[in-house]
Amino acid sequence: GDSVTQMEGPVTLSEEAFLTINCTYTATGYPSLFWYVQYPGEGLQLLLKATKADDKGSNKGFEATYRKETTSFHLEKGSVQVSDSAVYFCALGDYKLSFGAGTTVTVRA
Amino acid sequence: EAGVAQSPRYKIIEKRQSVAFWCNPISGHATLYWYQQILGQGPKLLIQFQNNGVVDDSQLPKDRFSAERLKGVDSTLKIQPAKLEDSAVYLCASSLGGAVSSYEQYFGPGTRLTVT
Repeated sequence: GDSVTQMEGPVTLSEEAFLTINCTYTATGYPSLFWYVQYPGEGLQLLLKATKADDKGSNKGFEATYRKETTSFHLEKGSVQVSDSAVYFCALGDYKLSFGAGTTVTVRA
Repeated sequence: EAGVAQSPRYKIIEKRQSVAFWCNPISGHATLYWYQQILGQGPKLLIQFQNNGVVDDSQLPKDRFSAERLKGVDSTLKIQPAKLEDSAVYLCASSLGGAVSSYEQYFGPGTRLTVT
């Protein structure tokens, strides 16, 4: 079945550092791809999405590109802030989502 | 716009007891999901409703878990009897349903269940 493999954490960065979280997927067909974020004490929120190959999703300075040739959807941000500290989940699917295990990111001032 | 509401936020029970969780989706959302998120893992879909019908319950342990969505709005998820391995956060999500662009899911804050 469809599945997502996500970079293991935890990841600790200094403010203004570059962040990359790797995500690769296995799927039949071409499902939509998502990044969700879970801030401390809050529920899951959609961060960005891409619905077809070569689409780039972006939000709050984060970007990810749907790469069919490498079956990847890596999340990047050029300059992180303390407020970006959270757990990030890669997910795929259309009506049914399959999630990765999550990557905990801590940004230090 | 009000988000997905869940209650209770926290619940502690002993094994073999029963427990129920409640979810109120975003108004107008036809599709409702229940996920189980065990500590250190990503959410796993338990059951999906389209209006008041079940679309997918292939991952629901039906010997102890049950769910219903009467009138196609609110939903309850029940565990009876609970086991230690049921300790997790139970997330409810909803989406408009229909076209692919409408499948964006909105999550509630979750119910953290601890079984002792």
